[in-house]
Amino acid sequence: DIQMTQSPSSLSASIGDRVTITCRASQSVNTYLNWYQQKSGKAPKALIYDASKLQSGVPSRFSGSGSGTDFSLTISGLQPEDLATYYCQQSYTTPRTFGQGTKVEIK
Amino acid sequence: QVELVESGGGVVQSGRSLRLSCTGSGFNFGGYEIHWVRQAPGKGLEWVTLIWHDESQRYYADSVKGRFTISRDNSKNTVYLQMNSLRLEDMAVYFCARERDWSFDLWGRGTLVTVSS
Repeated sequence: DIQMTQSPSSLSASIGDRVTITCRASQSVNTYLNWYQQKSGKAPKALIYDASKLQSGVPSRFSGSGSGTDFSLTISGLQPEDLATYYCQQSYTTPRTFGQGTKVEIK
Repeated sequence: QVELVESGGGVVQSGRSLRLSCTGSGFNFGGYEIHWVRQAPGKGLEWVTLIWHDESQRYYADSVKGRFTISRDNSKNTVYLQMNSLRLEDMAVYFCARERDWSFDLWGRGTLVTVSS
């Protein structure tokens, strides 16, 4: 199975900050990498697919990059509504493994 | 509107069975692969199983292989998850999700499965 490792596990940032979350795959997943946002008590929401493509309706302050084994999700200008846990996921093969999550808190 | 709705969760004793349903509306349900993903209390997301749009392929996580079975009835816009020999570690919120462009672009709200000893 492909293991997905996110860092950091949690972070605290101020409104307006630029926030970056990284995700590393245990083997190459090409660009079959997705990012999801999950707010407390809610279902996950798709943010990014194919490593860098924004899902419809997602604010442009979210962006993704990377290929192969190293990926990142950047929030350019953190907003109060971005308080959530973020997960990466590979869709290169089954099982479609997720990272352990990164909890983003607002200072 | 476009949505997925899970149902069938509840409290069940360890070793017993439960069947979950995932019903879609507002889109061509039969044209999409459907996944189940679960989340144990306070934990992260765990992929469980996948069924192709035409039911020709099914895949399972090792943790549920041989105990869980996924199926679908496209005439009812519904995917089922039959869960047998339930264990304490199966206790979780179970989400179904639609796959589009190799991503899970649409999720249901989830249904809670509680396993008691």
